[in-house]
Amino acid sequence: GAGVSQSPRYKVAKRGQDVALRCDPISGHVSLFWYQQALGQGPEFLTYFQNEAQLDKSGLPSDRFFAERPEGSVSTLKIQRTQQEDSAVYLCASSQAGWTGPTGELFFGEGSRLTVL
Amino acid sequence: QQQVKQSPQSLIVQKGGISIINCAYENTAFDYFPWYQQFPGKGPALLIAIRPDVSEKKEGRFTISFNKSAKQFSLHIMDSQPGDSATYFCAAKVRGYQKVTFGTGTKLQVIP
Repeated sequence: GAGVSQSPRYKVAKRGQDVALRCDPISGHVSLFWYQQALGQGPEFLTYFQNEAQLDKSGLPSDRFFAERPEGSVSTLKIQRTQQEDSAVYLCASSQAGWTGPTGELFFGEGSRLTVL
Repeated sequence: QQQVKQSPQSLIVQKGGISIINCAYENTAFDYFPWYQQFPGKGPALLIAIRPDVSEKKEGRFTISFNKSAKQFSLHIMDSQPGDSATYFCAAKVRGYQKVTFGTGTKLQVIP
């Protein structure tokens, strides 16, 4: 596609429910990032994939958060047993550059806004 | 731990004025400093970026000034326009890796 596509754009979950957020990166982009953006804050790094390999998951806040990119393209961020503090916009970004390659521009999707009641 | 500190949190500038946003960092391993612009309901988009081997970079009305010794950098928007109203994030990247660390953001409002 022309840009990074994320779905759903909006998700309301009851506390304790599991949610899955999807990211479809720009075709051919090697790198894929997930960021969490709380209201009025900057994006916070969650995890990074180079193709299908998850090379950095240091930003995942708890073991309730899980991400995968099994075929090196589409990625899913799963949050189990959602809590109110998980309410945020989850941003996906992709880049042509590999993890240790030359600096590549990040292209962001519009995000998935999660509200946990 | 906030690795990139940004100020002010919000800024109101009259049309035609200069908008200035400041950032500071501690990690000397940072080697790339981008600025992102975010409109409501959209993802951040790269605006302009600089490496620490230059002190200034200009693209149109947007200029980054970089002070390596002070570990500070700033974004100047000349002749600010209402269409520039958005949230601006400074960011930094560690040498050799793609992970970008963002500041907390500055909400800019340009009034006619």
